[in-house]
Amino acid sequence: EAGVAQSPRYKIIEKRQSVAFWCNPISGHATLYWYQQILGQGPKLLIQFQNNGVVDDSQLPKDRFSAERLKGVDSTLKIQPAKLEDSAVYLCASSSNTGTGRTYEQYFGPGTRLTVT
Amino acid sequence: RKEVEQDPGPFNVPEGATVAFNCTYSNSASQSFFWYRQDCRKEPKLLMSVYSSGNEDGRFTAQLNRASQYISLLIRDSKLSDSATYLCAVRKYGNKLVFGAGTILRVKS
Repeated sequence: EAGVAQSPRYKIIEKRQSVAFWCNPISGHATLYWYQQILGQGPKLLIQFQNNGVVDDSQLPKDRFSAERLKGVDSTLKIQPAKLEDSAVYLCASSSNTGTGRTYEQYFGPGTRLTVT
Repeated sequence: RKEVEQDPGPFNVPEGATVAFNCTYSNSASQSFFWYRQDCRKEPKLLMSVYSSGNEDGRFTAQLNRASQYISLLIRDSKLSDSATYLCAVRKYGNKLVFGAGTILRVKS
């Protein structure tokens, strides 16, 4: 079974530029998550989708970050304009959420390492 | 107080040693807990899930202490390949995970 796919793997941009990340979850997984992981910290949830609807975006800086999952499969996270403090790894994860127990387990993609200069 | 707290370490242990990490959480209503392993510059990989009192998988044992609100991860017979950062995660409503900052383990020969 293919895992969570993300691209690009690395991105370097200047502050005030825009950037977009793409994620394709594990086939059949209804729930998709975007996390931000700053060096030395654990991942922090930015936004959670259930199919193509937003479940939780309480920690998404909406003045500069946006995300969509139009057809309920792959997703795009955008930052515009970027700030120096956005330098981090952006991780996408997915889970099936079809019942209880193991279906809630989240599996991560390889991440996109963003450097803002 | 942070929702999930871990000792950052590093824990430096010799091969073959037994090592244990603790993770404390603040929300007493939390039901599910997870340990992830993260290698340098890689994504977190699910190591163990804890839904009741504990779980065991080979050399790895996770135990939940609800009264004191912590979960532990015990690694027996440590291998060089166990060197990594171990992240604790607590599941909240809506399947939201809250992560600790991780504990660094270094196993040396």
